[in-house]
Amino acid sequence: DGGITQSPKYLFRKEGQNVTLSCEQNLNHDAMYWYRQDPGQGLRLIYYSQIVNDFQKGDIAEGYSVSREKKESFPLTVTSAQKNPTAFYLCASKPQGIHEAFFGQGTRLTVV
Amino acid sequence: KNEVEQSPQNLTAQEGEFITINCSYSVGISALHWLQQHPGGGIVSLFMLSSGKKKHGRLIATINIQEKHSSLHITASHPRDSAVYICAVRTSTPGNQFYFGTGTSLTVIP
Repeated sequence: DGGITQSPKYLFRKEGQNVTLSCEQNLNHDAMYWYRQDPGQGLRLIYYSQIVNDFQKGDIAEGYSVSREKKESFPLTVTSAQKNPTAFYLCASKPQGIHEAFFGQGTRLTVV
Repeated sequence: KNEVEQSPQNLTAQEGEFITINCSYSVGISALHWLQQHPGGGIVSLFMLSSGKKKHGRLIATINIQEKHSSLHITASHPRDSAVYICAVRTSTPGNQFYFGTGTSLTVIP
């Protein structure tokens, strides 16, 4: 079945370590997005990519990095520069020019 | 001001009640999504709307593009409907990014 997969669902890391969150889609979608959710707040855009080998910063990109080497994959690295990395992270994808979008299940990252 | 406003923030209902969650937005959109987030955080996409009305089981979603408003209705609510419901709009501007409401936390009591 086609879909978008985030893994793992729960992730724990020690403070100061970089951690990479996976987002994979087999829908042949051009655009992919990463969002962050904090308690009591809406999801906010971290990075997005509309084509392979290209990506743009969103509203809260500081402390994060991404790559888009393959169409189906858009991994997000939470670096040690991110001051408050503990949050829920959501990946989304959509084809160009079409309204439909798909959302991953999300990854809850806890940094201790 | 947030681009997407949801109301109410919290909602408690008795099993069987009819529930309405509202979403208003201030940006031009190409589509609106209703998402369900269960305890533990997993997100499920319920509906994608660009006009009119959609129904899936006991869930109904409507959108009024002129009024920039959408509603999610749950008929004959059940405790398993307890979750956070999030409204998300996809902008019609280049980049087509999403803006999300802060969510409505629904608790259905048996």
